[in-house]
Amino acid sequence: QKEVEQDPGPLSVPEGAIVSLNCTYSNSAFQYFMWYRQYSRKGPELLMYTYSSGNKEDGRFTAQVDKSSKYISLFIRDSQPSDSATYLCAMTGGSTLGRLYFGRGTQLTVWP
Amino acid sequence: DAGVTQSPTHLIKTRGQQVTLRCSPKSGHDTVSWYQQALGQGPQFIFQYYEEEERQRGNFPDRFSGHQFPNYSSELNVNALLLGDSALYLCASSRTTGGPANEKLFFGSGTQLSVL
Repeated sequence: QKEVEQDPGPLSVPEGAIVSLNCTYSNSAFQYFMWYRQYSRKGPELLMYTYSSGNKEDGRFTAQVDKSSKYISLFIRDSQPSDSATYLCAMTGGSTLGRLYFGRGTQLTVWP
Repeated sequence: DAGVTQSPTHLIKTRGQQVTLRCSPKSGHDTVSWYQQALGQGPQFIFQYYEEEERQRGNFPDRFSGHQFPNYSSELNVNALLLGDSALYLCASSRTTGGPANEKLFFGSGTQLSVL
């Protein structure tokens, strides 16, 4: 079993839709959870960073962490064509930001 | 403010050869991590350097080695290249502050390595 599971999609939605992206994980030591956005042939770009359980909102993006279920989500409201990219969840535990464990990414297309 | 820069952007090698990839961290960052991303997969952690020492290592063979210089830049070396080493190699930098809550990882655009 992989440490982090993420449905690769692809996911295709119309502009303005609410998008829900999810990951599950198996390691209960994970405490820090991140979402990265990766455009084709580019490096991942940090979108959201949360610690432990709870919600965090930043503009159109909301990250949720449910440690009891080992489940994290990213919601994108009012999705735009520019949101079309691959979304990677990542997580880690420990005393410093060392090794990140990534999901395989979900490919999202937002069509006008 | 320059972000994380990597060179070269693309590289083609043949099996058995050796390759060196380079990374300059974001200004103010002192920690460099390297990741391998195969097509359609998430990045896999290779190792991390801090204070010119390898601080953590993932599940990669000894053919993968690295170095960090006093100016915090870093190199990734891969010996005896295999076809399976073809991937996007990502460098990421952060500033070690003593707690992950205050640390964030920023990635470069990567080096696309093709092994023929």
